[in-house]
Amino acid sequence: IAGITQAPTSQILAAGRRMTLRCTQDMRHNAMYWYRQDLGLGLRLIHYSNTAGTTGKGEVPDGYSVSRANTDDFPLTLASAVPSQTSVYFCASSPDRGPGELFFGEGSRLTVL
Amino acid sequence: GQNIDQPTEMTATEGAIVQINCTYQTSGFNGLFWYQQHAGEAPTFLSYNVLDGLEEKGRFSSFLSRSKGYSYLLLKELQMKDSASYLCAVMDSNYQLIWGAGTKLIIKP
Repeated sequence: IAGITQAPTSQILAAGRRMTLRCTQDMRHNAMYWYRQDLGLGLRLIHYSNTAGTTGKGEVPDGYSVSRANTDDFPLTLASAVPSQTSVYFCASSPDRGPGELFFGEGSRLTVL
Repeated sequence: GQNIDQPTEMTATEGAIVQINCTYQTSGFNGLFWYQQHAGEAPTFLSYNVLDGLEEKGRFSSFLSRSKGYSYLLLKELQMKDSASYLCAVMDSNYQLIWGAGTKLIIKP
C-alpha cells in the first residue's frame, strides 16, 4: 500500500540520548515535513524539505536536525533528547510545497524521561 | 502574529447537523484546509478552500469568507464514526501551514 511509513511507532528514552525517527514515502513526493503535536496546541512544523538535497527550518527547529539524501527518506534526529521533546511526531509529504493535500504517516509517540 | 481559533470541543447527536467554526489571522492567504483526526491516528484531508463560498463533498461541506477571515465545516447526517478532532489550517504567503489546535467532536446516540 502506497503511503508514508514511520518508525518507531513508540519509544521511551532517557534524557541526553540521541534518537532518530525514520520516515519513508513511496509516492515520489517532492516535499516532506516533520510536525510535532502536543495536547492543546496545533501541529507545529519542525523542519521541511522542498526536494531531495534541500532542507529548511520550520517553527520549532531547535534541538532537531534532518537530512534528505534521496526522495523517499526524511529522518528526524534529536541529538540530545530533553523532556520537552516528549510529543507525538508526524511525518508528512505532498507532491510539491504549496497548496495541496498533505499525506501523513501514522505518527511516532516519543517520551523523554 | 498568526493565529487560528476554533472551539476546543463540541457535542452533537447522531443524525443531526453540526457546524465547526474557524477564524484566522495570517500573513497572507493561500488557502484553508480541514483535516479529520481520529484519536491515536494521523490527520486525513477533508477539504481545501481558496475562493469564497461553499464547497460540498458528500455529507461534509466547507465554507470560506476571506474578507471575514472565517471558515466553517458543516457535517450532516452525523454518524458515530464522525467522532474525531477536526483541524483547521491556513496556508500563509510563505506556503507554510498554520494549524489550529483542533475541535474535538463528540457524537452521542
